[in-house]
Amino acid sequence: AQSVTQPDIHITVSEGASLELRCNYSYGATPYLFWYVQSPGQGLQLLLKYFSGDTLVQGIKGFEAEFKRSQSSFNLRKPSVHWSDAAEYFCAVGSGNTPLVFGKGTRLSVIA
Amino acid sequence: DTAVSQTPKYLVTQMGNDKSIKCEQNLGHDTMYWYKQDSKKFLKIMFSYNNKELIINETVPNRFSPKSPDKAHLNLHINSLELGDSAVYFCASSQDQRSGFTDTQYFGPGTRLTVL
Repeated sequence: AQSVTQPDIHITVSEGASLELRCNYSYGATPYLFWYVQSPGQGLQLLLKYFSGDTLVQGIKGFEAEFKRSQSSFNLRKPSVHWSDAAEYFCAVGSGNTPLVFGKGTRLSVIA
Repeated sequence: DTAVSQTPKYLVTQMGNDKSIKCEQNLGHDTMYWYKQDSKKFLKIMFSYNNKELIINETVPNRFSPKSPDKAHLNLHINSLELGDSAVYFCASSQDQRSGFTDTQYFGPGTRLTVL
């Protein structure tokens, strides 16, 4: 069965610093991978997704993620974090005929 | 305009009661979902409807009954509420399930249900 692991429950970074959020997945076939962000009191919003092709995917708000099949990873990165990026980040894996499976999320705090 | 809206935003009720949560999307999407997010933020799909037809029921107790009067609405009715039902419930929609569950899903703001 497919699964997603986000090893970091909570990360704190300084504003302007770079960010990397880790995501590892387990899936038998070629996965479809997603990163969603949940701001406090809000629903989830898609940041980016990977289906095939270029393994470096660009998303909204300056985020990018890199698919590494050999490591079963899809880590999310941002070169310079803004205070408004403080939120909960969810990695998810799915396919054409199975619903998304979400990781348990990583909470990002941003300090001045 | 809100793309996916849910009412109510907060719901506090006693064990044993019956309650409903409403969801509406104005995106013209064919597919709608209900997710449950527990206290540890774990998000799990409960149901999926495509064009008013149930396509996923992820081993949810039959106390939970989704109803889709039209493709823009997917309501969730819960009978005999239990303490373990306390969670945040999210509605979502996507364009067309026939192209797979890989379409971008648009989420509502959530309904925080507290069962006392």
